[in-house]
Amino acid sequence: GAVVSQHPSRVICKSGTSVKIECRSLDFQATTMFWYRQFPKQSLMLMATSNEGSKATYEQGVEKDKFLINHASLTLSTLTVTSAHPEDSSFYICSAIDGSSYEQYFGPGTRLTVT
Amino acid sequence: AQSVTQLDSQVPVFEEAPVELRCNYSSSVSVYLFWYVQYPNQGLQLLLKYLSGSTLVKGINGFEAEFNKSQTSFHLRKPSVHISDTAEYFCAVIYMEYGNKLVFGAGTILRVKS
Repeated sequence: GAVVSQHPSRVICKSGTSVKIECRSLDFQATTMFWYRQFPKQSLMLMATSNEGSKATYEQGVEKDKFLINHASLTLSTLTVTSAHPEDSSFYICSAIDGSSYEQYFGPGTRLTVT
Repeated sequence: AQSVTQLDSQVPVFEEAPVELRCNYSSSVSVYLFWYVQYPNQGLQLLLKYLSGSTLVKGINGFEAEFNKSQTSFHLRKPSVHISDTAEYFCAVIYMEYGNKLVFGAGTILRVKS
């Protein structure tokens, strides 16, 4: 099946720094990618929808200036957590949609720890 | 508003027993339905999906689910579980009138005991 990769899988950063997370669709083109955040023992919360070549659409309550999303190509979307704080520590998951099947393929996730 | 309800946060069951994980969604004209499984410290893996056609859908690892439009349900079942089925299971729905965003349920932790 289709594969979506994320890099890095784990990252630890200091408060106030920025962290970039990459999401790649490895064997298909994804015009739409999604970024989710998962808190411990909770479901996935959609943060934003990333469309190739256009601005991301953010869900209510998600700060677009803090979580910068760039979908520069049909196989790559990036999420940059700017000026990270400990409360941004979480599991970030991306997914890429196959437009022909409406199936979303999920990346393995990135665990961000802000110290 | 569109929502997905998983009534059971945890389901304990003995090995080789049958299991049903419940999922209900908001009534809508057109929906696509999914079940995902998440093992500890891993990403989500698709178990099965319903887009159209037969309302009984078979997925991987012996799981199946039935789309019931009148009851707005998409319950997941397995006739005989294994220890390795211990994981968290998420029901998710695409409400077509709202685009292609997945709306997730809160998840159900399946604990299989020996």
